[in-house]
Amino acid sequence: QVQLVESGGDLVKPGGSLRLSCAASGFTFSDYYINWIRQAPGKGLEWVSYISRGGSTIYYADSVKGRFTISRDNAKNSLYLQLNSLRAEDTAVYYCATLNAEKAFDIWGQGTMVTVSS
Amino acid sequence: QSALTQPPSVSGSPGQSITISCTGTSSDVGGYNYVSWYQQHPGKAPKLMIYDVTNRPSGVSNRFSGSKSGNTASLTISGLQAEDEADYYCSSYTSTPGWVFGGGTKLTVL
Repeated sequence: QVQLVESGGDLVKPGGSLRLSCAASGFTFSDYYINWIRQAPGKGLEWVSYISRGGSTIYYADSVKGRFTISRDNAKNSLYLQLNSLRAEDTAVYYCATLNAEKAFDIWGQGTMVTVSS
Repeated sequence: QSALTQPPSVSGSPGQSITISCTGTSSDVGGYNYVSWYQQHPGKAPKLMIYDVTNRPSGVSNRFSGSKSGNTASLTISGLQAEDEADYYCSSYTSTPGWVFGGGTKLTVL
């Protein structure tokens, strides 16, 4: 079935780095635009980053620009998010989600937890 | 990019209708018809309920409907059921470009 599975979340110290992964199955990954969206504990959703089907177009939220890097490997049906210079306010569940033609997030993973704390 | 404005909470009795508002600006909600709504139960991933302001994905109950006027979008749930109790988030594409979410609304079915 159509599925996205995130991994890589962990406890990391402020200033540290982490790489998240999102594995896709059940659909043609390369046909889809895809995003990272996060949710801090007890808080709302925050869009983080977008990457186009071929990876040539990338957008970031101002809150992560210059610190996070999104990438994808269509041959491996995988999406990545490199998180550098992590701050306490980056603590959140990170979801990957596909974007449909109407710019809505239609397929979501179950999320992976990133905790930034000393 | 500032979050879209939603009421923190709404409530209704089974069978009743409720409406959740989502206010943005001409750079997001007012400028595009790319408004979507998501339902999130505790500990679960969000689920797409409405896209393109008014459209329902396959499998979503027709009790859920969306609309927009100017910079404000709305989600209406009719015939409230216990299973509708959840958090609801609106989202819009923005001119930045990017996406912005609302702060979320907790729906309580009394």
